[in-house]
Amino acid sequence: QLQLEESGSGLVRPTDTLSVTCTVSGGSISSDNYSWSWIRQPPGEGLEWIGFIFHTGSTYYNPSLKSRVSMSLDKSQKQFSLNLKSVTAADTAVYYCVRENDSGNPGPFDIWGQGTRVTVSP
Amino acid sequence: QSVLTQPPSVSGAPGQRVTISCTGSSSNIGAGYDVHWYQQLPGKAPKVLIYGNVNRPSGVPDRFSGSKSDTSASLAITGLQAEDEADYYCQSYDKRLGGCYVFGTGTKVTVL
Repeated sequence: QLQLEESGSGLVRPTDTLSVTCTVSGGSISSDNYSWSWIRQPPGEGLEWIGFIFHTGSTYYNPSLKSRVSMSLDKSQKQFSLNLKSVTAADTAVYYCVRENDSGNPGPFDIWGQGTRVTVSP
Repeated sequence: QSVLTQPPSVSGAPGQRVTISCTGSSSNIGAGYDVHWYQQLPGKAPKVLIYGNVNRPSGVPDRFSGSKSDTSASLAITGLQAEDEADYYCQSYDKRLGGCYVFGTGTKVTVL
């Protein structure tokens, strides 16, 4: 069974760059049938999709975050990563790495990591 | 700001039926995009409950059902159980502003 596990900086200073990485185990990161997303959830709030990366390296970002987001993928390590620059307190959230099953229009987010909490604070 | 609107909370006694609405517009649900539903238990990651508007992944009880009509979708829970107390989110795609995956505002289900 494929599993996802996030890792990264738990505390980030305002104006710095937030970096989190997701490690894929128990399955392939290179399938044409899936894409790899980041979704975040501020404390006590709802879910926000940040963007996805395909195994080819193609990316697509939420237009509201596009100017600050970049994603990358390392097939050899079976990892994909999120960088969010110029962070503020509003970026404090639990960050989830998620697999999208591309069978639908859109496909469902069918596998989630456990989430990693990132706090932006001086 | 979410483009999919859900009631903040719904409640019911054990065994009752509750429904959660997800109201969108012509740029998302009304444009024919699929709706998925997620259940988030306290302190846990969300889990897909319904995909493709009406389909249940293996392991999800048939007490959960989804429907879609025009610019909205609904999740129904029949035979409500204490373990169903959680937050529920709908999700789809919105084609405005270049396109974006969008989530509903979320609904807290309380079992009385």
